[in-house]
Amino acid sequence: DTAVSQTPKYLVTQMGNDKSIKCEQNLGHDTMYWYKQDSKKFLKIMFSYNNKELIINETVPNRFSPKSPDKAHLNLHINSLELGDSAVYFCASSLRGGGDTQYFGPGTRLTVL
Amino acid sequence: GDSVTQMEGPVTLSEEAFLTINCTYTATGYPSLFWYVQYPGEGLQLLLKATKADDKGSNKGFEATYRKETTSFHLEKGSVQVSDSAVYFCALGGAGGATNKLIFGTGTLLAVQP
Repeated sequence: DTAVSQTPKYLVTQMGNDKSIKCEQNLGHDTMYWYKQDSKKFLKIMFSYNNKELIINETVPNRFSPKSPDKAHLNLHINSLELGDSAVYFCASSLRGGGDTQYFGPGTRLTVL
Repeated sequence: GDSVTQMEGPVTLSEEAFLTINCTYTATGYPSLFWYVQYPGEGLQLLLKATKADDKGSNKGFEATYRKETTSFHLEKGSVQVSDSAVYFCALGGAGGATNKLIFGTGTLLAVQP
């Protein structure tokens, strides 16, 4: 059984388009995250939700809007895509926040042309 | 602010060689420390963790000890295999500015040759 799943795995789109990435976890965790990994493999937190409530927003452009319909799902919608948005986006979850182990999804590779 | 510094890669070793990847951190409070591994084309997997000073995390022959006095969490393995080739990330979480997130180092690419 997949613990943290993301769809799609690959996303290729034109500048200016709007796209969404979906994430689901079946671990019963309370906290979910979105990370961005750039071409040099550097990982940075974007958002964190605890029980559907936003608790971290790391100065991400407001073109990025996370939505958590329930605590098992955290989706990421991106408006007006730019070339610099090309990256791998990882969803993760943990039982609580803080020092708990985070479990990562397989990633979504977004390419903006 | 809180941060993690790990050695630059790539690290290239022959099979059965000894591995050390250095990691040091800056944090307020008492964070938990982690090593994650990313195999090609995959997401991150937890390799090991330690939650307090002098704890040793271990898994799959890898070890790291939480050293508060040197603010370090170096990853070691006595005999690497080709299958260990991956990117290794040191991270901290759960204290100071990282109460609800992980702060990652830049990652170290390990390439093991047969």
